[in-house]
Amino acid sequence: GENVEQHPSTLSVQEGDSAVIKCTYSDSASNYFPWYKQELGKGPQLIIDIRSNVGEKKDQRIAVTLNKTAKHFSLHITETQPEDSAVYFCAAPRGTSYGKLTFGQGTILTVHP
Amino acid sequence: DAGVIQSPRHEVTEMGQEVTLRCKPISGHNSLFWYRQTMMRGLELLIYFNNNVPIDDSGMPEDRFSAKMPNASFSTLKIQPSEPRDSAVYFCASSWGSGAQETQYFGPGTRLLVL
Repeated sequence: GENVEQHPSTLSVQEGDSAVIKCTYSDSASNYFPWYKQELGKGPQLIIDIRSNVGEKKDQRIAVTLNKTAKHFSLHITETQPEDSAVYFCAAPRGTSYGKLTFGQGTILTVHP
Repeated sequence: DAGVIQSPRHEVTEMGQEVTLRCKPISGHNSLFWYRQTMMRGLELLIYFNNNVPIDDSGMPEDRFSAKMPNASFSTLKIQPSEPRDSAVYFCASSWGSGAQETQYFGPGTRLLVL
């Protein structure tokens, strides 16, 4: 099955700095890579995703890059704000299995004002 | 449009008691997922339904856990009997479609504490 490793487990930055979270996956057949943000007391919410036919996708201050050869993908947050503080999860499908996602261990991001 | 609705939001029970968690997926979605989140094990998929049919329950920890989806707008996850190690946050998520690339929308979760 799919194995997803996420680093770092905690990340502390100053407001305005950039934050980068990295994930590696094991199943070369995986073709969809979502990122979720979980705020305290809430369920994870999708913030951005990327499919294997592109190498990068941007949405305002958030971007995701994908390297299929190396089997890793990264989340980039620029101009961080205190409201970006949350737990971030990457995920990858278990091959082509219907709807089955394997989640990374999570990264606790703290943005200091 | 309402998101995924879960009830109760918090549940405290004693070991040995039956616990029933409820979920109403987003209207029109045909896939439903139950997850469990703990500090030790992270976010784990327990069971997945498509068109009300259980497709994969390989994540269900043991026979004490059961899930049903009697119709497209309601699902339950039952633990009987409950044990302290079942304490966790249980999330329900739904999506449209059956492939692995559909966005899953999570509910707010049920925080379960078994004493």
